[in-house]
Amino acid sequence: NAGVTQTPKFQVLKTGQSMTLQCAQDMNHNSMYWYRQDPGMGLRLIYYSASEGTTDKGEVPNGYNVSRLNKREFSLRLESAAPSQTSVYFCASSKNTGELFFGEGSRLTVL
Amino acid sequence: GQQLNQSPQSMFIQEGEDVSMNCTSSSIFNTWLWYKQEPGEGPVLLIALYKAGELTSNGRLTAQFGITRKDSFLNISASIPSDVGIYFCAGQPNTGNQFYFGTGTSLTVIP
Repeated sequence: NAGVTQTPKFQVLKTGQSMTLQCAQDMNHNSMYWYRQDPGMGLRLIYYSASEGTTDKGEVPNGYNVSRLNKREFSLRLESAAPSQTSVYFCASSKNTGELFFGEGSRLTVL
Repeated sequence: GQQLNQSPQSMFIQEGEDVSMNCTSSSIFNTWLWYKQEPGEGPVLLIALYKAGELTSNGRLTAQFGITRKDSFLNISASIPSDVGIYFCAGQPNTGNQFYFGTGTSLTVIP
């Protein structure tokens, strides 16, 4: 059971570099989410997609873009990475209402 | 964004003791979720609650959906060392697809 799969698991960037975090789910869920987790801050929503073809901003969207490529895949892009974007990023999916399932996380360091 | 107040922030208990933690919100939620997160991993869903007053168990864990729909509680009975981790609550309001998270309760079990 793959569930929610994120790649890469670790990444180090220099300030100003760009990168894309990939996420795929195999549970046929409609909604997908990107969160970031920082010490003492809990999980904060960056962007979410309620269904294929739609995306909406969450609590902390600045500096990020997303693409809902199809029902399975939801990617998060950092166009010009900043040290403040050093964090652990989690992708999650749900059936719209009900249970939310997470990937294992992508640990990003921006130097 | 929506704020969930989760308490306590941390707990240090002896093996065998019971644990209680809670989460409150300023607005009504339709769904409450409880997660456990271990170091280096993503949050794992423990219990999902969908109705006010609902009491649901998962082994030694019991969670309740508060009757006001603005709070939820998690109890762990007879704690064991493998209960160590950070426990998060999450809630979903009756409008929209977003889930909001508490800041977590860090649990340490002393053998």
